[in-house]
Amino acid sequence: EPEVTQTPSHQVTQMGQEVILRCVPISNHLYFYWYRQILGQKVEFLVSFYNNEISEKSEIFDDQFSVERPDGSNFTLKIRSTKLEDSAMYFCASSGQVYSGANVLTFGAGSRLTVL
Amino acid sequence: DQQVKQNSPSLSVQEGRISILNCDYTNSMFDYFLWYKKYPAEGPTFLISISSIKDKNEDGRFTVFLNKSAKHLSLHIVPSQPGDSAVYFCAASAVRSQGNLIFGKGTKLSVKP
Repeated sequence: EPEVTQTPSHQVTQMGQEVILRCVPISNHLYFYWYRQILGQKVEFLVSFYNNEISEKSEIFDDQFSVERPDGSNFTLKIRSTKLEDSAMYFCASSGQVYSGANVLTFGAGSRLTVL
Repeated sequence: DQQVKQNSPSLSVQEGRISILNCDYTNSMFDYFLWYKKYPAEGPTFLISISSIKDKNEDGRFTVFLNKSAKHLSLHIVPSQPGDSAVYFCAASAVRSQGNLIFGKGTKLSVKP
């Protein structure tokens, strides 16, 4: 069964450092997403990406965050200067369609980011 | 701002019995509701969804009921199996923002043999 793969599974970084989280979405999917879950809290939407541009972003997704699809397979989330409160599990997701009907997202296993 | 609420953090059920997981929402703009299941060290996995124009959707052992007037939905699992033990997330989306799923905090279901 097709799956979304994420690397690294766990990253520890110092506050202020840049971090790039990588994702390989399902190959024929067109819509890509990043979500995060701070420990003990809800899974929260960060950003959606379609046709090489951001289609929607949440208030969490400020100027410190950026996304990119550098080639035909990877989808990355960059945090420019990490803060302690960026420590969370980051989930990448992809979907094949966003029209009439429930948008079923397929999630990766997540990348745990720990900021010290 | 809890637009989607799952008020029970945990639920324990005997194998073979029915599991009922509940979810409430506040935003009347939501058009679709989804249930995701999550095992430790894995991402959320889609389980079942329901459109706001329906009041029931069934898929095997899983049935989702929607009560729009009460802004309430529930997931029924019958019969429950030990492999169903996981965290269940309720999520909602609006047509104009379908990629933006609003999740509840989750309910941890334990099915005891």
